[in-house]
Amino acid sequence: QVQLVESGGGLVKPGGSLRLSCAASGFSFSDHYMSWIRQAPGKGLEWISYISSSSGTFFYADSVEGRFTISRDNAKNSLYLQMNSLTAEDTAVYYCVRTARRLDYWGQGTLVAVSS
Amino acid sequence: ELVLTQSPGTLSLSPGERATLSCRASQSLSINYLGWYQQKPGQAPRLLIYGASSRATGIPDRFSASGSGTDFTLTISRLEPEDFAVYYCQQSGNSPYSFGQGTKLEIK
Repeated sequence: QVQLVESGGGLVKPGGSLRLSCAASGFSFSDHYMSWIRQAPGKGLEWISYISSSSGTFFYADSVEGRFTISRDNAKNSLYLQMNSLTAEDTAVYYCVRTARRLDYWGQGTLVAVSS
Repeated sequence: ELVLTQSPGTLSLSPGERATLSCRASQSLSINYLGWYQQKPGQAPRLLIYGASSRATGIPDRFSASGSGTDFTLTISRLEPEDFAVYYCQQSGNSPYSFGQGTKLEIK
């Protein structure tokens, strides 16, 4: 069965960095676009980034452009999100999501808290 | 930028009743790129509907959806206790991809 398991979240100070990972299994990872979607506490969903299957196409929301970098390693069935210059507004649960015309599989999420 | 507006913000109904949730796009959207998701507290969202009207695998047939252009609707024919949750519409046809703000379906 399809599984997406995020890791790397935690508490970080403003201006700090964090790298999230997502381990994928149960499907052909290299055939699928992948996304990071986040949800601030008590708020709605925000699509912040996606990457194509071959890493040739990227998308970043304005809110993270220039600070976050999405990447993948198809040999390791893994998705990453490097997050720099973090602010309190980046505090959220970050979900790794398999992406086609639909978002059909979601990880359980990893919490990132930015606070001094 | 394509904006999705969901209404109502909160819907209070009783089990057994019919729920109708609306999602309006600020510009015309291909039906291929409209989805609906259900989220329960402490859980990740779950895909309910894709392509504006196709049920995802394992979704009960009391969930149905329709629409085209700028107006889309999710209908739950007879509410079960487990259906009370937050529902989001989502589009991936126009960059930046986006979600509606959500409709909370609560027990009356």
